Amino acid sequence: DAGITQSPRHKVTETGTPVTLRCHQTENHRYMYWYRQDPGHGLRLIHYSYGVKDTDKGEVSDGYSVSRSKTEDFLLTLESATSSQTSVYFCAIKERYEQYFGPGTRLTVT
Amino acid sequence: GNSVTQMEGPVTLSEEAFLTINCTYTATGYPSLFWYVQYPGEGLQLLLKATKADDKGSNKGFEATYRKETTSFHLEKGSVQVSDSAVYFCALSDSGGGADGLTFGKGTHLIIQP
Repeated sequence: DAGITQSPRHKVTETGTPVTLRCHQTENHRYMYWYRQDPGHGLRLIHYSYGVKDTDKGEVSDGYSVSRSKTEDFLLTLESATSSQTSVYFCAIKERYEQYFGPGTRLTVT
Repeated sequence: GNSVTQMEGPVTLSEEAFLTINCTYTATGYPSLFWYVQYPGEGLQLLLKATKADDKGSNKGFEATYRKETTSFHLEKGSVQVSDSAVYFCALSDSGGGADGLTFGKGTHLIIQP
């Protein structure tokens, strides 16, 4: 257990609404990540952070933004949710060479 | 860019059978390689890793050897159990201890029948 929590764990929202997912860690890790998991695609990197206020884009960043105002929290925002963003979202931290994942958030956009 | 290719399955085996899940990769540098496991309804757990060529990662009876000459990291287990039923993901990182994220394969669904 790497001390990672995600909230909410489940969410249903309507197309066009903004959505923010939260990742919280308790062990002061520098690197944090957001991935999405979709059938047939495995996990794909959305954004990552290498410190407070330091973030960068991943493979599938379009339609997403992130913020990290303090070490323990990494927020993922969908500014205007679309049905293609229905997915399971995982947060991760990095410790040495290894990444450890949170329990995930299942997001459904109707 | 980086990529990981693995057999997608589902792979169905009987209990106590020998397991191999193939994983090959393409990377620009000298990546670290990982296997993750996802049990139904859960998140991903790190199963094993190897950070340089010829390293063997092992955990819970599973093994994988980092083969640079064949760019492979195949997962093996000598005798599978029903409790091994899960989705297995091969992944790589070419940043060492740096910030870059993981590149995943699409996952292999393993079903073990009693």
